[in-house]
Amino acid sequence: EPEVTQTPSHQVTQMGQEVILRCVPISNHLYFYWYRQILGQKVEFLVSFYNNEISEKSEIFDDQFSVERPDGSNFTLKIRSTKLEDSAMYFCASSGEVGLGETQYFGPGTRLLVL
Amino acid sequence: LAKTTQPISMDSYEGQEVNITCSHNNIATNDYITWYQQFPSQGPRFIIQGYKTKVTNEVASLFIPADRKSSTLSLPRVSLSDTAVYYCLVGPAVQGGKLIFGQGTELSVKP
Repeated sequence: EPEVTQTPSHQVTQMGQEVILRCVPISNHLYFYWYRQILGQKVEFLVSFYNNEISEKSEIFDDQFSVERPDGSNFTLKIRSTKLEDSAMYFCASSGEVGLGETQYFGPGTRLLVL
Repeated sequence: LAKTTQPISMDSYEGQEVNITCSHNNIATNDYITWYQQFPSQGPRFIIQGYKTKVTNEVASLFIPADRKSSTLSLPRVSLSDTAVYYCLVGPAVQGGKLIFGQGTELSVKP
């Protein structure tokens, strides 16, 4: 069964550093998403991406965040200058294989720890 | 998006049927009901989706009454591996639409 993959599984960084989280969505999917989950809290939507541009973003997704699909397979989330409160699990998801509905399939997540 | 209310936690024993009910009084005509499962430190996993009446797949059943103001996820004969958080989501089934997660129901299955 095809699945969404994410790298790295864990990342530790110093406050103020840039991090790039990588995702390989399910091939043939057209819509891509990033969500995050702070420990013990709800899964929160960050951004959706379609046709090489952002479709929607939440209030969390400020100027420190950016997304990119640099090639035909990867989808990345960049945090330019990390803050302590960015520590969370970050989940990538994809959906939208033509004709198969809008179900979002999530990756295993990247646990980001900002020190 | 319709607000959902579900129990914070539930306990069960192996082999029992578990029913988790979700209230969504403000569900809109074009909203679907979707359930996701999340194990600790893993991404949410789609379980089932429905619009009305009953939907069944190899994992669960979803019961939706005629007024659609609530729905019940039914897990037959649970095992220890079904211990997870279960989320009820309500919203339009559109491509690219964001998912709004609540706190979910933490199901604990005991031997």
